[in-house]
Amino acid sequence: AQRVTQPEKLLSVFKGAPVELKCNYSYSGSPELFWYVQYSRQRLQLLLRHISRESIKGFTADLNKGETSFHLKKPFAQEEDSAMYYCALKPNDKIIFGKGTRLHILP
Amino acid sequence: DTGVSQNPRHKITKRGQNVTFRCDPISEHNRLYWYRQTLGQGPEFLTYFQNEAQLEKSRLLSDRFSAERPKGSFSTLEIQRTEQGDSAMYLCASSLAGQSYEQYFGPGTRLTVT
Repeated sequence: AQRVTQPEKLLSVFKGAPVELKCNYSYSGSPELFWYVQYSRQRLQLLLRHISRESIKGFTADLNKGETSFHLKKPFAQEEDSAMYYCALKPNDKIIFGKGTRLHILP
Repeated sequence: DTGVSQNPRHKITKRGQNVTFRCDPISEHNRLYWYRQTLGQGPEFLTYFQNEAQLEKSRLLSDRFSAERPKGSFSTLEIQRTEQGDSAMYLCASSLAGQSYEQYFGPGTRLTVT
């Protein structure tokens, strides 16, 4: 089965503290994985994809095939990081989203 | 081009009525996707088009749902004989065929079935 699991519905982190949003996937092939983000009153948008291996807004995500994980990390949280984050798997032309984790940055 | 647009933004309807939603994608995008999102869930794929051809439909999409993209530009999603379980946010997204990983989402249409 093709599935994305985000175990945390809500994650509260103090400003300046490290952030890690967990994501595990289930897929038998070679996965394409992404993180999408939705800020308050904005549209869902792509944050980063595993293939590019780049840092966007200070966030990085490493694909770990052994643990079937694609956790999103940032060393120092900022208040503007508060948003809903969705891990996503693209087995073909459609995208399978996880249920999302709401990240709340505390002042 | 201000991005993907969807109309209406909100729709309240009575059970049993038909509803139709419209999506206008980014003009140069040949792929168009429909998703449904309920409270506490991520978007769930419903169907997608490449130009005017509907290439895939989810098993979630019952016979009461139909989508069209007649000229390869805007798309409509119709729900016939609505049920309370159809209440959800319906999201449209578009992309270029070679960059289907980066889908640009619209603001969504929130449907409430009473």
